[in-house]
Amino acid sequence: GAGVSQSPRYKVAKRGQDVALRCDPISGHVSLFWYQQALGQGPEFLTYFQNEAQLDKSGLPSDRFFAERPEGSVSTLKIQRTQQEDSAVYLCASSLYRNEQYFGPGTRLTVT
Amino acid sequence: AQSVTQPDIHITVSEGASLELRCNYSYGATPYLFWYVQSPGQGLQLLLKYFSGDTLVQGIKGFEAEFKRSQSSFNLRKPSVHWSDAAEYFCAVGPSSGGYQKVTFGTGTKLQVIP
Repeated sequence: GAGVSQSPRYKVAKRGQDVALRCDPISGHVSLFWYQQALGQGPEFLTYFQNEAQLDKSGLPSDRFFAERPEGSVSTLKIQRTQQEDSAVYLCASSLYRNEQYFGPGTRLTVT
Repeated sequence: AQSVTQPDIHITVSEGASLELRCNYSYGATPYLFWYVQSPGQGLQLLLKYFSGDTLVQGIKGFEAEFKRSQSSFNLRKPSVHWSDAAEYFCAVGPSSGGYQKVTFGTGTKLQVIP
């Protein structure tokens, strides 16, 4: 079946702009995660959803970051008033509850 | 708090040579351990995982890893490296109990394969 998909794959934003990153998880996967991967680093946890409930948002770096999954499937990560330090690859992963996570290809965000 | 250390930032091996990538973790109980591979511009692909049982686990693409509790290690091995194995490898640790898999990743080891 289809894997995790993310769009757009690349996004260039001017500092101060708002961006929205989309994640389509594997059908039926209850759990959905967002990670931020800076250049040369491993993925860092941002937030976790179980179905439509956001159970952990402890990794969101500031209140400019917001994520939602209103119908328990597609998720959107929104970054308001982007800053240069937001430049990174944003990875989405989904899983069947406590099973291993399947990752999407990521969205590379560049803030100029 | 859980953490992962991958002491080697970059490793170069010749094609056909054996490979071992090091991973040390810190976790208060028996962890779940993972190795992922990331090719340039791609997401992460799971190579193998350890949850319990046999401490030597086999994964895809001919990789294996051994969980050593006494050394808090989960090193990744391959007996003969292929050029297509050139990529970045991430070790990760997650909780063995609790509501969900909040996984912590290491900083990665970049593997270069030379002819």
